[in-house]
Amino acid sequence: ILNVEQSPQSLHVQEGDSTNFTCSFPSSNFYALHWYRWETAKSPEALFVMTLNGDEKKKGRISATLNTKEGYSYLYIKGSQPEDSATYLCAFDNFNKFYFGSGTKLNVKP
Amino acid sequence: DSGVTQTPKHLITATGQRVTLRCSPRSGDLSVYWYQQSLDQGLQFLIQYYNGEERAKGNILERFSAQQFPDLHSELNLSSLELGDSALYFCASSVETRDETQYFGPGTRLLVL
Repeated sequence: ILNVEQSPQSLHVQEGDSTNFTCSFPSSNFYALHWYRWETAKSPEALFVMTLNGDEKKKGRISATLNTKEGYSYLYIKGSQPEDSATYLCAFDNFNKFYFGSGTKLNVKP
Repeated sequence: DSGVTQTPKHLITATGQRVTLRCSPRSGDLSVYWYQQSLDQGLQFLIQYYNGEERAKGNILERFSAQQFPDLHSELNLSSLELGDSALYFCASSVETRDETQYFGPGTRLLVL
């Protein structure tokens, strides 16, 4: 079983703060890394699929970077808003087998 | 709304029973994935199908099986159910396989009593 770790487990920030979280994964047999946003009582919503070392992707105030050689990805949220409150999940794609981290739970206070 | 549908939304059954969960992918998507989320565990990948063929297997128990039909809908069969099988089961779909965005359905919540 491959180990995918996310840190921190939870994060409480004020509205307007910028924040970032980490996803660590095995650096060998890398295929792709997926980031999801998961709100309570809903289903995971895809944010990014990252495949190449050095990849940077952006969607609005959210961006992500990828380092496959050292086995980590960062997710950044600029100017957090209360509606950003959710669990952010990463999934390591090991040749079509997916290994999920336990997520970072973000709470943005107004 | 992701365009992926799952039925039923909720299912309550007894230990030892067998149930079937159904998933209809987004129009045009060829790949279907099944995931399990138990209370004490994170999201676990079970199995993937692509255009009717099994593509990858994860932590799927031998009591569980799945298939994808010619119309691309998929079913997950859970048999000899145990209390520990109580979980939220998600289906997701994507156009192809590698590097593709997966769209998750709303899930089926299974309670085994």
